[in-house]
Formats: sequence, C-alpha cells, structure tokens
Amino acid sequence: KAGVTQTPRYLIKTRGQQVTLSCSPISGHRSVSWYQQTPGQGLQFLFEYFSETQRNKGNFPGRFSGRQFSNSRSEMNVSTLELGDSALYLCASSLTHNEAFFGQGTRLTVV
Amino acid sequence: TQLLEQSPQFLSIQEGENLTVYCNSSSVFSSLQWYRQEPGEGPVLLVTVVTGGEVKKLKRLTFQFGDARKDSSLHITAAQPGDTGLYLCAGAQAGSSNTGKLIFGQGTTLQVKP
Repeated sequence: KAGVTQTPRYLIKTRGQQVTLSCSPISGHRSVSWYQQTPGQGLQFLFEYFSETQRNKGNFPGRFSGRQFSNSRSEMNVSTLELGDSALYLCASSLTHNEAFFGQGTRLTVV
Repeated sequence: TQLLEQSPQFLSIQEGENLTVYCNSSSVFSSLQWYRQEPGEGPVLLVTVVTGGEVKKLKRLTFQFGDARKDSSLHITAAQPGDTGLYLCAGAQAGSSNTGKLIFGQGTTLQVKP
C-alpha cells in the first residue's frame, strides 16, 4: 500500500509570493492533517480536513489555507510569504483519531 | 505553554547503553503516539498506546502509557547506531475541538555512537 505522498519535496520562494503544496493520503484514509515543523517551535498543527470539510484549525494566520478534494487529496496554500514561513510542511493521513501517518514533507525556503 | 514536555532534549550515548525518554503533561490524552524522524524526512509512527498502564514492546523498544494517561515513556535497550534520530511523542485529546489534531512534544535528539 502506497504511503502519504507530498509534492514538491523542496521549494524556494521569494517574500510576498504564494505557494501551494500537495498531499495524497494513503488509499482509504479520509482525514488529512497539515503540520508546520521548525527548529524553534517543533511540530505545530495547521488544520485538518475530512470529506472535503475543514474540521479543525490551528493557531495560524489567515494566510494559511487548505482544501480537500473528493478523492481525499489535499492542498495547502500560503499567501504573501514571509521569511518566518520557512519550514518543513508535513501532511498526515489517518483512518482513526489515534494514528497519523506522515509524508516525507515539503521543505519550503522563503528568501 | 508546551502541553507535552519531552525530556531529555538531547542524548548522546555509546552503543550498547540503555536509555529512557519521557513525555509528561498535566493534561489527559485519549492516546499517545511515538514517532522517529530522520533529518529531512517525515516522522515514522512507532507505536500507539491507548489504555492507561499499557506497555508495548517493539524489539528493543518498550513504550509505556501512564495509569492516568498523562505521561508516557520510551525505553531503548542496548542502543545501536541505527537508533539515532529524533524521537517525538504526540498526544490526541478527546472532544470535537481536538479532532484530527495531535499535540507534539519538542522531541529528543538521540545520537548513538559506535
């Protein structure tokens, strides 16, 4: 069974630009969550989608948004990029609330 | 405020030594997961514990969930260089406001020297 796939693996963007990251969950998993990982803050929850609906949202500004499609694939978008948005963005898919399986992440660098 | 306090943050030991990583909170969790992460990769799920007092073993790794479901520990016996990595604990809480959300500890960076 294929794991969680995130694309692209690496991105370099300029301040003020926007970026879209993609995540394909494990087949059969309908819940997709997004996390931001930085050396200083660790892993922080961004939002979670289930059946195309956002069910939960972390404490991030409105520049961070996401969506989920009918095939459970998800995208997250960050607009008006700031230097502080440089991070590893991780997507996780779940069948139950108890277990999350992560993708390899997208390393975003904002210059 | 860090909801899950993980300790120690860094650990450098020799091959063959034993070690324990702790994950503590004042909050109750419905489940707790342990992950291992390599640099530049996503966390890989090692184990999930759900029941208070539960003990699970994965080869040389032993995981325990506290009776009150507020803390957990990871014990590695006879550590090997292949155990090197970042170990993360993550908790799930009950309630609709916590749906799909894991709370992570800050992680323990383990280095096992040959």
